Amino acid sequence: DADVTQTPRNRITKTGKRIMLECSQTKGHDRMYWYRQDPGLGLQLIYYSFDVKDINKGEISDGYSVSRQAQAKFSLSLESAIPNQTALYFCATSDSMGYTQYFGPGTRLTVL
Amino acid sequence: GENVEQHPSTLSVQEGDSAVIKCTYSDSASNYFPWYKQELGKRPQLIIDIRSNVGEKKDQRIAVTLNKTAKHFSLHITETQPEDSAVYFCAASPGGSNYKLTFGKGTLLTVNP
Repeated sequence: DADVTQTPRNRITKTGKRIMLECSQTKGHDRMYWYRQDPGLGLQLIYYSFDVKDINKGEISDGYSVSRQAQAKFSLSLESAIPNQTALYFCATSDSMGYTQYFGPGTRLTVL
Repeated sequence: GENVEQHPSTLSVQEGDSAVIKCTYSDSASNYFPWYKQELGKRPQLIIDIRSNVGEKKDQRIAVTLNKTAKHFSLHITETQPEDSAVYFCAASPGGSNYKLTFGKGTLLTVNP
């Protein structure tokens, strides 16, 4: 679904580095989400935002921060990356009814 | 908060057989139950969903059933094909203004030709 894009698609970084993952959408949705996927653990919610002024922590927010720069943009930051943050990260959006979520293509992050 | 348990974690079937994946949830306020399919290397995509006011919903070869009393719901795939091979996730949500999904851990379905 090209309406939700993520950059970069792959990133290798070192322990202690700051890294930002970006998500953009052209679906006009108010709600945006960041998930982390680890093998066998499903999709875990990191942060979510219901509009530009509304940011909420999810299940696993420690070590992460977010910024909602505009309705269409939602960024996830790792202030000081650590190896156990190595995972596949997905951004998703939904409309204000909040039912169907549309996922971006994912960013594979490796922290050495 | 909500907790969603999904079983089995892996499932292998022969082409043409049926596959069933089951989920249980803990929050009686949950009223929306989607299923997502994630093919290898791809993003999760919604394949079917059900809301608490119905007990069953079908879409061609896939169906979802919901038992609110027992707090469980299931995905049924009939006449499986190799292209059904993927990871399937169930999820639950209370809906409303604080809507967010809680996902199960996923089921890897393999359909053998």
